[in-house]
Amino acid sequence: DQQVKQNSPSLSVQEGRISILNCDYTNSMFDYFLWYKKYPAEGPTFLISISSIKDKNEDGRFTVFLNKSAKHLSLHIVPSQPGDSAVYFCAATVSGGGADGLTFGKGTHLIIQP
Amino acid sequence: GAGVSQSPSNKVTEKGKDVELRCDPISGHTALYWYRQRLGQGLEFLIYFQGNSAPDKSGLPSDRFSAERTGESVSTLTIQRTQQEDSAVYLCASSLELAGVEQYFGPGTRLTVT
Repeated sequence: DQQVKQNSPSLSVQEGRISILNCDYTNSMFDYFLWYKKYPAEGPTFLISISSIKDKNEDGRFTVFLNKSAKHLSLHIVPSQPGDSAVYFCAATVSGGGADGLTFGKGTHLIIQP
Repeated sequence: GAGVSQSPSNKVTEKGKDVELRCDPISGHTALYWYRQRLGQGLEFLIYFQGNSAPDKSGLPSDRFSAERTGESVSTLTIQRTQQEDSAVYLCASSLELAGVEQYFGPGTRLTVT
């Protein structure tokens, strides 16, 4: 049973436009959410996170929105740039619950077209 | 400073052989995690080490998998009697204590069992 779901395996967006990546979760105990970006042959790199006490967190071109009632979060990238082309993983955890690691989605491959 | 390093980067082994994968975490990071990513799947949590505490092995897929960590440094993940289903990228991550939910990943070891 997948607790973190990214239903779009891939997404193609034109350079300069907004990229919106979606993520849904089922475990109501999750209270901390993260987005990781992964290039081929490299490990995932941390991008941005959000605590369940917030509904929005912004860092430069990246904004994460959290809708707790819908158990849904999204990552917005604006404007999209060619270097943003990568696989994006949504992850969730119970804060302080390191014993369970992070629960990841399957990832969304974002392709930025020139 | 140096990030998380893993070796080997690639390993091809015959079914039934044992393999050992190594992870060097970021210096000072007390928490260390192992994950596995099978083709087309998200990252799957395997095991977690925190300081000198006994590791949480709840994510290990079978008793053929074991892991050790020397103090708060190097960790090795051992897979005995490898099976083709063990083929995956094995990723190691480290973080600062339990509060450090932002985990920093190594580049991974790509294991292929023939």
